[in-house]
Amino acid sequence: IAGITQAPTSQILAAGRRMTLRCTQDMRHNAMYWYRQDLGLGLRLIHYSNTAGTTGKGEVPDGYSVSRANTDDFPLTLASAVPSQTSVYFCASSATLGRGPDTQYFGPGTRLTVL
Amino acid sequence: GQNIDQPTEMTATEGAIVQINCTYQTSGFNGLFWYQQHAGEAPTFLSYNVLDGLEEKGRFSSFLSRSKGYSYLLLKELQMKDSASYLCAAMDSNYQLIWGAGTKLIIKP
Repeated sequence: IAGITQAPTSQILAAGRRMTLRCTQDMRHNAMYWYRQDLGLGLRLIHYSNTAGTTGKGEVPDGYSVSRANTDDFPLTLASAVPSQTSVYFCASSATLGRGPDTQYFGPGTRLTVL
Repeated sequence: GQNIDQPTEMTATEGAIVQINCTYQTSGFNGLFWYQQHAGEAPTFLSYNVLDGLEEKGRFSSFLSRSKGYSYLLLKELQMKDSASYLCAAMDSNYQLIWGAGTKLIIKP
């Protein structure tokens, strides 16, 4: 693989269920990010990780958790999904430790619907 | 607060030139990014400006004025494949990107 992959591509989920969105990159990038994109709004940062073993909260972290056990993987977990979490989720990565103006590269996205 | 403003939608004709404006307010500033996003796809990087002035890259150019908190993306010789949303994002003092809602560009033959 080359770049960033996300799984699943799309998912319909019942409210209250737990869900993990997967993200894997093979570019050996240090920093990784999770965004949600909603109609009429800009991309909003949920959580980020500057390097393996560290994570940080973004603009809209409530209801989401992340882990960064290694460089390549950055899963996003919804502990108990609610309809307001219906969105398109993008994972992104950048080469720097999140402390420089480096370009972010995006995965293809996961379209999540919570009913 | 931090804010990015750009027009919601623009229409242009194939072969013409279009300018998409973006104004920003951020806590600190570490550059301005433009991304292109086709419907149903991921954003892809177009340009980055951190110094005042115009950066040209083929049919696309990007301009920045730090004193005015203003940028624009200029697309020349428009092609149908340029129909997409164009996202403006400013990098703040913590190197986090603050994103605009995007400008949907419609190209007509």
